[in-house]
Amino acid sequence: GQNIDQPTEMTATEGAIVQINCTYQTSGFNGLFWYQQHAGEAPTFLSYNVLDGLEEKGRFSSFLSRSKGYSYLLLKELQMKDSASYLCALWDNYGQNFVFGPGTRLSVLP
Amino acid sequence: GAGVSQTPSNKVTEKGKYVELRCDPISGHTALYWYRQSLGQGPEFLIYFQGTGAADDSGLPNDRFFAVRPEGSVSTLKIQRTERGDSAVYLCASSLTQGTAFAGELFFGEGSRLTVL
Repeated sequence: GQNIDQPTEMTATEGAIVQINCTYQTSGFNGLFWYQQHAGEAPTFLSYNVLDGLEEKGRFSSFLSRSKGYSYLLLKELQMKDSASYLCALWDNYGQNFVFGPGTRLSVLP
Repeated sequence: GAGVSQTPSNKVTEKGKYVELRCDPISGHTALYWYRQSLGQGPEFLIYFQGTGAADDSGLPNDRFFAVRPEGSVSTLKIQRTERGDSAVYLCASSLTQGTAFAGELFFGEGSRLTVL
């Protein structure tokens, strides 16, 4: 099975940088995804890591360490529209499905 | 279609009734997933189809829940004898995943909000 853990809530200030952590345990890692979900909307894809290291995509970066079962999402130059839930998800080839973490609700304050 | 389409967007029903939720995935996507999401929680995996077959149905909570995808495209999630605890947003997603060879990103529909009174 899988176990994914994320902080429940975070608060940051507009223009700042925030790091959202995700730790996981799995029997068959095949990739880790980050999704953004605004209230009342569907999740949308942000990033994907399959190898260790940092993947950068504009203001968003995601890091993975497979040996530590750890990932983080880094958001730079925060904007008010970044207020949303951020979901860490495992692609696990044991179950051949995507398993989501509980999500981290980020509030960006002016 | 251009994206994943789910109907109905909202469904209110009474305890004990039967409900069907429909998902029309992105054309050509072979993998289709159903999730259930309660307020403030992450999506909870229910079932995953690869083509017409259910590759993993380990997330279905009990035998009141069933899903089909007879032609490898549209899928229907069926819930019998609904209970108040079934109230949630049911999300459908599709991807180009081909087994375990590569995990393409999931594209989600807007969800079907089910309320059981």
